[in-house]
Amino acid sequence: DAGVIQSPRHEVTEMGQEVTLRCKPISGHNSLFWYRQTMMRGLELLIYFNNNVPIDDSGMPEDRFSAKMPNASFSTLKIQPSEPRDSAVYFCASSWGQSSGELFFGEGSRLTVL
Amino acid sequence: AQKVTQAQTEISVVEKEDVTLDCVYETRDTTYYLFWYKQPPSGELVFLIRRNSFDEQNEISGRYSWNFQKSTSSFNFTITASQVVDSAVYFCALSEAQYSSASKIIFGSGTRLSIRP
Repeated sequence: DAGVIQSPRHEVTEMGQEVTLRCKPISGHNSLFWYRQTMMRGLELLIYFNNNVPIDDSGMPEDRFSAKMPNASFSTLKIQPSEPRDSAVYFCASSWGQSSGELFFGEGSRLTVL
Repeated sequence: AQKVTQAQTEISVVEKEDVTLDCVYETRDTTYYLFWYKQPPSGELVFLIRRNSFDEQNEISGRYSWNFQKSTSSFNFTITASQVVDSAVYFCALSEAQYSSASKIIFGSGTRLSIRP
């Protein structure tokens, strides 16, 4: 079975550019999470969805960040405009709600903003 | 508010030594879940264990064991006879337990474990 699929795996962009990260959760999972990992702040929850509906976006740093989940098999995290401090590894994870939270993580998207 | 504290930033031991990773949590929920995840040098996050707040039984899986004590709000992880392949960053995490949908999972800052040959 395919796991959580994220793209791109690596992205290098210049400050001010728009960045879109993509995630395909495991088929049948009904919850999706976006995390950001940096050395300074560790693993931060940005936003999570249940049944495609955003439940908690309190971790989204600022208005430059937005996330959507148009259907059960796809989600995007967009940064516009990007800044050097957004450089991090962004993880997408999915779970089946009734499994009480065991997360299956993608391999991450490493973003570098110059 | 929920909080997970992993006070040990880095631990280094010699192979075959036993090592315990500490985790202390804070929550006002009466029902919650605790987790441990492993992040090896390759970068992926791997689920190790989930523990329900109602189940304080210790668990053993091979060389791994977990000690859950509600009285001290701790969920410690012990590796017995450590091996070089155990070198990784280990994260403790906490979530409110909901039956019908997932809830947010908060991670600690992680403990970097290095096993020297």
